[in-house]
Amino acid sequence: NAGVMQNPRHLVRRRGQEARLRCSPMKGHSHVYWYRQLPEEGLKFMVYLQKENIIDESGMPKERFSAEFPKEGPSILRIQQVVRGDSAAYFCASSPTGLAGTGELFFGEGSRLTVL
Amino acid sequence: AQRVTQPEKLLSVFKGAPVELKCNYSYSGSPELFWYVQYSRQRLQLLLRHISRESIKGFTADLNKGETSFHLKKPFAQEEDSAMYYCALRGGSNYKLTFGKGTLLTVNP
Repeated sequence: NAGVMQNPRHLVRRRGQEARLRCSPMKGHSHVYWYRQLPEEGLKFMVYLQKENIIDESGMPKERFSAEFPKEGPSILRIQQVVRGDSAAYFCASSPTGLAGTGELFFGEGSRLTVL
Repeated sequence: AQRVTQPEKLLSVFKGAPVELKCNYSYSGSPELFWYVQYSRQRLQLLLRHISRESIKGFTADLNKGETSFHLKKPFAQEEDSAMYYCALRGGSNYKLTFGKGTLLTVNP
């Protein structure tokens, strides 16, 4: 099992461009979570998705950010019109049972976004 | 609201010395607490959870509801324990983990 796969690992964008981050959960996992880590900060919850459904997006900024987890393919975190403050590490995690069980999240290696 | 505080950004000890990584939380209900660890060039992974009351790699952590703490302890630190440690809390919802800012532990030879 390759684990949670995120790509790209590093992404550089200029202000105003779009950033797309992808996450393939572990095999057998249908629950995906996105976390953001700003410099010198802890991981902050952004959104929780199941296949084709957004369950909780309470941590997502109201504008420019969106997430999806289609029936086929990876989950995608999309940031439109990026600004310098979006520079951060974005982590994806997955779980088989939505944390109702063991509470364990399986993390990817993260995608580091740099906005110039 | 739920909050996790790790007061030490950096912690440095010598091999064989005891180590304690502090974690305090704020939550009005009955929380579940976790410690996650990230070794150099590896993914963030679960180290232990309070509900299991287990010792992993010699580490233990006891939930103290009176002091709202969940400190991680090991009696004799090893160089391979050097890593970033994150305390996390799960509150009322079943899926949202709230993380602290992390403590970077360095174990010197």
